[in-house]
Amino acid sequence: DQQVKQNSPSLSVQEGRISILNCDYTNSMFDYFLWYKKYPAEGPTFLISISSIKDKNEDGRFTVFLNKSAKHLSLHIVPSQPGDSAVYFCAASSGTGNQFYFGTGTSLTVIP
Amino acid sequence: EAGVVQSPRYKIIEKKQPVAFWCNPISGHNTLYWYRQNLGQGPELLIRYENEEAVDDSQLPKDRFSAERLKGVDSTLKIQPAELGDSAVYLCASSLGEGARDEQFFGPGTRLTVL
Repeated sequence: DQQVKQNSPSLSVQEGRISILNCDYTNSMFDYFLWYKKYPAEGPTFLISISSIKDKNEDGRFTVFLNKSAKHLSLHIVPSQPGDSAVYFCAASSGTGNQFYFGTGTSLTVIP
Repeated sequence: EAGVVQSPRYKIIEKKQPVAFWCNPISGHNTLYWYRQNLGQGPELLIRYENEEAVDDSQLPKDRFSAERLKGVDSTLKIQPAELGDSAVYLCASSLGEGARDEQFFGPGTRLTVL
């Protein structure tokens, strides 16, 4: 049973525009959420996180929004750059353990 | 600082053969994770170690998979015998072990193909 879902397998965006990647979760016990970025032939690398006590966290061009009532989070990248082209995984965990549950990923292509 | 090292990077074997993967975590990281990532899916946790103790192996198929982390540093993951459905990328990750919010650092993975 997939507890974290990314319903868009791929997304293409023009350079300079905004990229919005979406993620939904089903487990109401999740209270910590992360986004990982993965280039081909490399392991995922941490990008940004958000705790359930917040509804927004910003780090440079990357902003994560959390809507707890809808069990939805999104990652905004503004402005998008060609180097942002990668697969983005959403992950979630509950405060009781170290296990992260990952979504299936969204492949972002930023077109120069 | 060196990252998480995994070897081999690629492995092709015939079904029913054994295979082993090796992981060297970041120095000082007490927690080590093995994940399996099937094609088109996100990573799924197989086992988590706190130092040399396996604290979560509920997702490890114990009939054919085994893992060890001797001396709480390097770890090996073994499959014996391998099945066609074991074809996947096996990722190792490590973290400081300071709590549930630990950032996990991933290695590049081992891509296993079972023929």
